[in-house]
Amino acid sequence: DAGITQSPRHKVTETGTPVTLRCHQTENHRYMYWYRQDPGHGLRLIHYSYGVKDTDKGEVSDGYSVSRSKTEDFLLTLESATSSQTSVYFCAISRDPSYEQYFGPGTRLTVT
Amino acid sequence: KQEVTQIPAALSVPEGENLVLNCSFTDSAIYNLQWFRQDPGKGLTSLLLIQSSQREQTSGRLNASLDKSSGRSTLYIAASQPGDSATYLCAVQSSGDKLTFGTGTRLAVRP
Repeated sequence: DAGITQSPRHKVTETGTPVTLRCHQTENHRYMYWYRQDPGHGLRLIHYSYGVKDTDKGEVSDGYSVSRSKTEDFLLTLESATSSQTSVYFCAISRDPSYEQYFGPGTRLTVT
Repeated sequence: KQEVTQIPAALSVPEGENLVLNCSFTDSAIYNLQWFRQDPGKGLTSLLLIQSSQREQTSGRLNASLDKSSGRSTLYIAASQPGDSATYLCAVQSSGDKLTFGTGTRLAVRP
């Protein structure tokens, strides 16, 4: 299995609080991605990174920001969590867009 | 905008049966297509990646085919086993660096 970890694995937070999710890889892959998975919507891309300090928006980026200061870490921040951001968040990595994406175990976030 | 559809949404078969999962996409200008497996409460496991120039890929009992012109891919599972029970997702890369996912087919293989 690709070396990808996500933390925390579960989190419950209140509306309006900031939340940061962390993705850590040991594969030295250039590309990193954040997705959310919701029933009926499948996986949707939030943000992705194509190198240190290089990021771009995905399909559902509103309300989220990201940072990548090191190759191995990609952080997803919800500046002010809302109930609509209750979801399962997955991080993925790939060497290059033409190669496979490998996924982390996911973080289940509940916003009350 | 690329759209990916997987039919059926759920499938139940007896152990030992050969089966086919379907994936269709609306924009045939793709770079590659990837099949994943997801077990309940878990992340996605990559099964097969087919580049746009390829027609099929095989791994063990799995065979994935790609017909770009018709916007279709199939995942063939031979001699299904209860351990194959999971949700199978296809995803296409059609522009930039992003994948577009289907909503999956939930497979149950009965002993």
